[in-house]
Amino acid sequence: AQKVTQAQTEISVVEKEDVTLDCVYETRDTTYYLFWYKQPPSGELVFLIRRNSFDEQNEISGRYSWNFQKSTSSFNFTITASQVVDSAVYFCALYRGSTLGRLYFGRGTQLTVWP
Amino acid sequence: EADIYQTPRYLVIGTGKKITLECSQTMGHDKMYWYQQDPGMELHLIHYSYGVNSTEKGDLSSESTVSRIRTEHFPLTLESARPSHTSQYLCASSVPGGRAFEQYFGPGTRLTVT
Repeated sequence: AQKVTQAQTEISVVEKEDVTLDCVYETRDTTYYLFWYKQPPSGELVFLIRRNSFDEQNEISGRYSWNFQKSTSSFNFTITASQVVDSAVYFCALYRGSTLGRLYFGRGTQLTVWP
Repeated sequence: EADIYQTPRYLVIGTGKKITLECSQTMGHDKMYWYQQDPGMELHLIHYSYGVNSTEKGDLSSESTVSRIRTEHFPLTLESARPSHTSQYLCASSVPGGRAFEQYFGPGTRLTVT
C-alpha cells in the first residue's frame, strides 16, 4: 500500500526563522516520484519540487531545500529565513511508477509565519 | 503555465439540488482527475479518466459522477447535493505517456451544501 505521512499538522514560526516540514512515505515500488505542493488560502495547488526514487541528491532553490533519504523513507522540506508569504498548507505526495498516473497525498502541514 | 480551469470557484447550494462542477484544460492532455479535499485533510482521488469515453472511480467512494465526451472537458455532477458533499474539489490533468507524473491542477471549486 502507498502511504504518505506528514506528522506535523500545524507549525507556527516567526519571520526569519528556519522551519522544516517532515514527510515520510511508504511504498513497495522501486520507481516512484515524490512531490511537494504549496496550497495558499486561495486553494490552488502550486507545484514546488519533484524527485525520482533514483536521485537522492538534495536540492536547494533559493530559500527552499529538500532532503531526500531513501534509508529512512523521508523527503523533508526546509524553508530558510521564513517569510509571511510562506504561510500556506504544504502537501507531500507520492506518485507510483505505474500507468495510472495518480498521486497519493499526505494530510498536509499548515505553516503560519508571523511577522 | 498550466491552462486548466474550474468553474465555479465558489458555490453555496441547498440540499437536494443537482450541480455540475466544470473542468477544462487546453493542453490536450488525455488523463484527467478529480480530487476531493475536506478541510484539514489530504486530497483523495474520486474519479479519473484516461481519455474520451473512459472514466473510472478512484479511492474514495463518491456519490458524484463524471463524463468525458471531449478531451478538454471533464465535468463532475452531483445529482442531489447533501451537506456531506461540502468540500473542495480539485481537477487535474497530466502529460501523456511516461511523464504522467507531471500533473497540473486547477484552482479548485469550494462547494458548500446547506
